[in-house]
Amino acid sequence: GAGVSQSPRYKVAKRGQDVALRCDPISGHVSLFWYQQALGQGPEFLTYFQNEAQLDKSGLPSDRFFAERPEGSVSTLKIQRTQQEDSAVYLCASSSTGGAGGYTFGSGTRLTVV
Amino acid sequence: QKEVEQNSGPLSVPEGAIASLNCTYSDRVSQSFFWYRQYSGKSPELIMSIYSNGDKEDGRFTAQLNKASQYVSLLIRDSQPSDSATYLCAVPPFSGGYNKLIFGAGTRLAVHP
Repeated sequence: GAGVSQSPRYKVAKRGQDVALRCDPISGHVSLFWYQQALGQGPEFLTYFQNEAQLDKSGLPSDRFFAERPEGSVSTLKIQRTQQEDSAVYLCASSSTGGAGGYTFGSGTRLTVV
Repeated sequence: QKEVEQNSGPLSVPEGAIASLNCTYSDRVSQSFFWYRQYSGKSPELIMSIYSNGDKEDGRFTAQLNKASQYVSLLIRDSQPSDSATYLCAVPPFSGGYNKLIFGAGTRLAVHP
């Protein structure tokens, strides 16, 4: 596609519920990144894929967070047993260069845990 | 010290003035630096990248890098109300690695007519 597509745009989850956030990167982009942005803060790195390989997951805040990209294209970020502190905007970005030229971000998914 | 620091603002400038946004970083070996613009409720958009000491100009935007002093700045000439946004500085956490970026908290710019 022309840009990075994320769905849903908004998600309200009850505490304890599992959620799945989808990212469809720019066609041909091998690098895919997930970031979390809390209100009033800059994005914080969660995880990085090169094709289907998850090369860095050092930013995932707990074992409740899980990301996959099984065919090297679409990626899913899953959060199990959501907590209120998980409320944030989840941004996906892709790059053709591993990030050397900067990223193209999707429009994000705003997750609100109630 | 945070890895990337920015003044949160808001920085208020009149239309037509030069807006100067600053960012300091702690990793002495960082080699690349990025400025993103984020409108309220929108995702960050890359507007400038700089890799070498000195100035890099792109239209009304100039990025300035001083590695010895570990700061990077963004100048916006002839500021317009449409420039009102949060500007995020981003730096890779180590030399040669781009697979993550450390973002500052951003500086909010308000350009008033």
